[in-house]
Amino acid sequence: EDKVVQSPLSLVVHEGDTVTLNCSYEVTNFRSLLWYKQEKKAPTFLFMLTSSGIEKKSGRLSSILDKKELFSILNITATQTGDSAIYLCAVEASGAGSYQLTFGKGTKLSVIP
Amino acid sequence: DTGVSQDPRHKITKRGQNVTFRCDPISEHNRLYWYRQTLGQGPEFLTYFQNEAQLEKSRLLSDRFSAERPKGSFSTLEIQRTEQGDSAMYLCASSLRGWKGTDTQYFGPGTRLTVL
Repeated sequence: EDKVVQSPLSLVVHEGDTVTLNCSYEVTNFRSLLWYKQEKKAPTFLFMLTSSGIEKKSGRLSSILDKKELFSILNITATQTGDSAIYLCAVEASGAGSYQLTFGKGTKLSVIP
Repeated sequence: DTGVSQDPRHKITKRGQNVTFRCDPISEHNRLYWYRQTLGQGPEFLTYFQNEAQLEKSRLLSDRFSAERPKGSFSTLEIQRTEQGDSAMYLCASSLRGWKGTDTQYFGPGTRLTVL
């Protein structure tokens, strides 16, 4: 069974800190890994990663994938209170017509002023 | 607004009643997905459609659940004889399958179901 594990489950930091969120996975026929940000509503897409070692960046957020060690990290630099949210990692696997996403439980990030 | 929309946003029902939710995907997206999310958990996959064909169903989708996408555009998810355990946020997502074989799922705001 496909499995996605995120750590830590929750994190409290001060504004301006840098944080690293972790996601490890075990899937058959890996296709891609995605990061989402979820506030009090539906997840919003952040990144899709398919290749090892290529960093994706968007402003203060960046992410990288290691397909050999089966993990990804999401970095947020100079955190702001607006970064407070649950960050979800999901893995898409392929094979036998399956295109579903398997999500981790998420990391709840709280940024305090 | 050209994102994924869902209706209703909230639904409160009594145990044993039937409920139906609607999802309107992003207009050019050919794939549509349903997920369920309970408190403290990540979303769990329920089912997905490519155009009007339902291609995959999770074992979480019991016989009381049925989903349709009759014209390959909007989709409905019906739950019959609701149980308290059905209380959750039901999320819909859509994507456009690209030629490289990967796509990005964009989520709607969800329908929060409470079964009393």
